[in-house]
Amino acid sequence: GQQVMQIPQYQHVQEGEDFTTYCNSSTTLSNIQWYKQRPGGHPVFLIQLVKSGEVKKQKRLTFQFGEAKKNSSLHITATQTTDVGTYFCAGPHPGSNYKLTFGKGTLLTVNP
Amino acid sequence: NAGVTQTPKFQVLKTGQSMTLQCAQDMNHEYMSWYRQDPGMGLRLIHYSVGAGITDQGEVPNGYNVSRSTTEDFPLRLLSAAPSQTSVYFCASSLGQGGNQPQHFGDGTRLSIL
Repeated sequence: GQQVMQIPQYQHVQEGEDFTTYCNSSTTLSNIQWYKQRPGGHPVFLIQLVKSGEVKKQKRLTFQFGEAKKNSSLHITATQTTDVGTYFCAGPHPGSNYKLTFGKGTLLTVNP
Repeated sequence: NAGVTQTPKFQVLKTGQSMTLQCAQDMNHEYMSWYRQDPGMGLRLIHYSVGAGITDQGEVPNGYNVSRSTTEDFPLRLLSAAPSQTSVYFCASSLGQGGNQPQHFGDGTRLSIL
């Protein structure tokens, strides 16, 4: 089964509202990655977090890696219609740094 | 610089037919992989390769074969297509170990098995 659990599965917001998606792992992760997939498109790498407690920002997006390196979150401030898509977290499979396991993703829709 | 190129973009097959999905990258990446994406299931790893001549199984390898004769190419073969293999297939590549490096994805192949 999936190593990383992601919630919520869906989120619908009004433009201008904030959005957060959460990623949880049963095992400690060496790193966690976030991807965005626009409808009909392919996943595009957003960021990689490596350090315990790390926080990184990209404009309106804030990424956090938990202190125990078992959870992560992506927060979008003041959503825009361009934020629409599915956001995935991904981490190494337990026992193998050669396999990247993806969460099931959170589909974000934004009402203008 | 094309990145990761997948062909074809769309394909319809009949049950029992065989086909090869092509994937090529021009970034000199050692690591390449194939994922399938189904509604509500996220991306699931089929096979991966850490370099020419080396391949290994992912989470859902049954029904698929791969080979890696060159650094650039990593084709995925369906020997006898089944309706359960209807999916969107993505090829990805990266430097180094797949679990620790950002993945570059191709545009995908949308495959329907009738």
